Amino acid sequence: NAGVTQTPKFRVLKTGQSMTLLCAQDMNHEYMYWYRQDPGMGLRLIHYSVGEGTTAKGEVPDGYNVSRLKKQNFLLGLESAAPSQTSVYFCASRTDREGGKLFFGSGTQLSVL
Amino acid sequence: AQKITQTQPGMFVQEKEAVTLDCTYDTSDPSYGLFWYKQPSSGEMIFLIYQGSYDQQNATEGRYSLNFQKARKSANLVISASQLGDSAMYFCAMREDNTNAGKSTFGDGTTLTVKP
Repeated sequence: NAGVTQTPKFRVLKTGQSMTLLCAQDMNHEYMYWYRQDPGMGLRLIHYSVGEGTTAKGEVPDGYNVSRLKKQNFLLGLESAAPSQTSVYFCASRTDREGGKLFFGSGTQLSVL
Repeated sequence: AQKITQTQPGMFVQEKEAVTLDCTYDTSDPSYGLFWYKQPSSGEMIFLIYQGSYDQQNATEGRYSLNFQKARKSANLVISASQLGDSAMYFCAMREDNTNAGKSTFGDGTTLTVKP
């Protein structure tokens, strides 16, 4: 019963490097989300998807791209990392059932030096 | 304007006592859901309780209850009989079904510390 799995759990990048965060869910959920959490703050939505092959911008999309080629996977890419992207990244998924509660991955701690 | 407001950055409670964490929200969507999540120091996000905008009864889940006052647009979390393991960050969130494409918006959180 894996739920939502995020990889990697930790990563350190240099400014200008690129990377991809992978989110995988095994619950057949339609909706998937990428959030970032900065110290002492709530979660802010980066991008989201309402189904396979669809993506849309959230509240703070600049500097990030996403893809959802398969229903179970939602990838978050940083093309040219900046120190301002140092944060904890959470992936989440949901259905329209169970009140639409979010199921979260365990988070990725990203540091950009 | 913030959609979710949590006015208490930090709260303290004595073990075994009850505590109320405040949350107010702002929406014009008639269909929405309100959630509370717990984030312990280990970092994971844990779902606690859900209240739908059309629900007549306040939601309860074990020691957690949600005091839903629709006219005041408040959705306070009540934790009864606090335990040391309740020490964590608590987030209120709202999902708007029509005006916000079903996305959830989070408050800035309240840090709860349970004293022995």
